[in-house]
Amino acid sequence: NAGVMQNPRHLVRRRGQEARLRCSPMKGHSHVYWYRQLPEEGLKFMVYLQKENIIDESGMPKERFSAEFPKEGPSILRIQQVVRGDSAAYFCASSPRVAASTDTQYFGPGTRLTVL
Amino acid sequence: GENVGLHLPTLSVQEGDNSIINCAYSNSASDYFIWYKQESGKGPQFIIDIRSNMDKRQGQRVTVLLNKTVKHLSLQIAATQPGDSAVYFCAENLTQGGSEKLVFGKGTKLTVNP
Repeated sequence: NAGVMQNPRHLVRRRGQEARLRCSPMKGHSHVYWYRQLPEEGLKFMVYLQKENIIDESGMPKERFSAEFPKEGPSILRIQQVVRGDSAAYFCASSPRVAASTDTQYFGPGTRLTVL
Repeated sequence: GENVGLHLPTLSVQEGDNSIINCAYSNSASDYFIWYKQESGKGPQFIIDIRSNMDKRQGQRVTVLLNKTVKHLSLQIAATQPGDSAVYFCAENLTQGGSEKLVFGKGTKLTVNP
């Protein structure tokens, strides 16, 4: 059973460009979460999605950031007009959400975004 | 602010010793907690979890203790090995209004000396 897949693993963008990060959940998992990690810090929640629905985007900046999880294909986290402060590791996690509040989230390897 | 924090940012132990990593949480309504291990350049790896109706859970060489009275978690690693060197995070599963999210502490960096 393949784990959570993320690509690209490393992404370099210049200020003002767009960054597009992809996440494929574990097989059988229909819930996806995105987190951001700055160096030497813990992960910070950004957004929680189900297929075709955004459940909670309270951790995501209102501007420039968007996320989707279409019926077919991976979940996408998109950052428009990137700035240097967007440089971070972005992790995706998935869960089956069988039982609310006690489902384990399994993480992918992350995408390390560097903005020049 | 963060709901979950760690007492010690770094921990250095000798190979073969037992390690204890501590964590405090502030949301008394949380009912599920997870410990993750993160090696350099990798994603968090699930180690062990515990639900609030338990106070202790054991895995292979790892034990998690939960003290709900003082809102404290600990991770015990027996016979620590060099491969255990990593940053360890506790995470609290926060459930609110149909959503759920993990709230992480800053992590404890464990270094195992051979």
